[in-house]
Amino acid sequence: QVQLVQSGSELKKPGASVKISCTASGYTLTKYPVNWVRQAPGQGLEWMGWINTNTGKPIYARGFTGRFVFSLDPSGSTTYLQISRLKADDTAVYYCARDIGDTFDIWGQGTMVTVSS
Amino acid sequence: DVQLTQSPPFLSASVGDRVTITCRASQGISFYLAWYQQKPGRAPKLLIYGASTLQSGVPSRFSGSGSGTEFTLTISSLQPEDFATYYCQQLHTYPRTFGQGTKLEIK
Repeated sequence: QVQLVQSGSELKKPGASVKISCTASGYTLTKYPVNWVRQAPGQGLEWMGWINTNTGKPIYARGFTGRFVFSLDPSGSTTYLQISRLKADDTAVYYCARDIGDTFDIWGQGTMVTVSS
Repeated sequence: DVQLTQSPPFLSASVGDRVTITCRASQGISFYLAWYQQKPGRAPKLLIYGASTLQSGVPSRFSGSGSGTEFTLTISSLQPEDFATYYCQQLHTYPRTFGQGTKLEIK
């Protein structure tokens, strides 16, 4: 079964960092780019950017530069989203999604990140 | 950036109704539009891509149409499991923007 499996929920204090994983199952991660999407509580979907899973090159949307880093595991099966210097506003569900060119066809189950003191 | 405006933002309907959701793009995006369904606590699920192509496994009561700047998602006969939030997304240019969502509620 083709799926993206994300790591579990995280509770972090302001100023800390978090690293979320997204692992491909049933297909080779390097075949398609992976996008990241944020959904704040009660809000809509916000595109954060994407990573070229062949080269590891990331592209970030405006508003997601500086503290946000997309990376690739050397094995090529897992991609990561790291957020540093966490703020309360970063509290959200973060999704990874497979991009097959004209749509995001497979989504991870989402990772809830809660930032609270 | 391409702005997507969905209407209506909220829709109240009954089982068996035919409903239509509209997504307007601020500039032409050809057929590069997808529709997703999201239920509370769940990831978005792809329904339609390329404006009108039904994703495998999605019931045929869902259909999409349009091109350029105006698109529609139609559910021909609402079923109880269709009450959810629906999002459009353009994949013509970066950034990959989403509409603000349409919440479909039971009347």
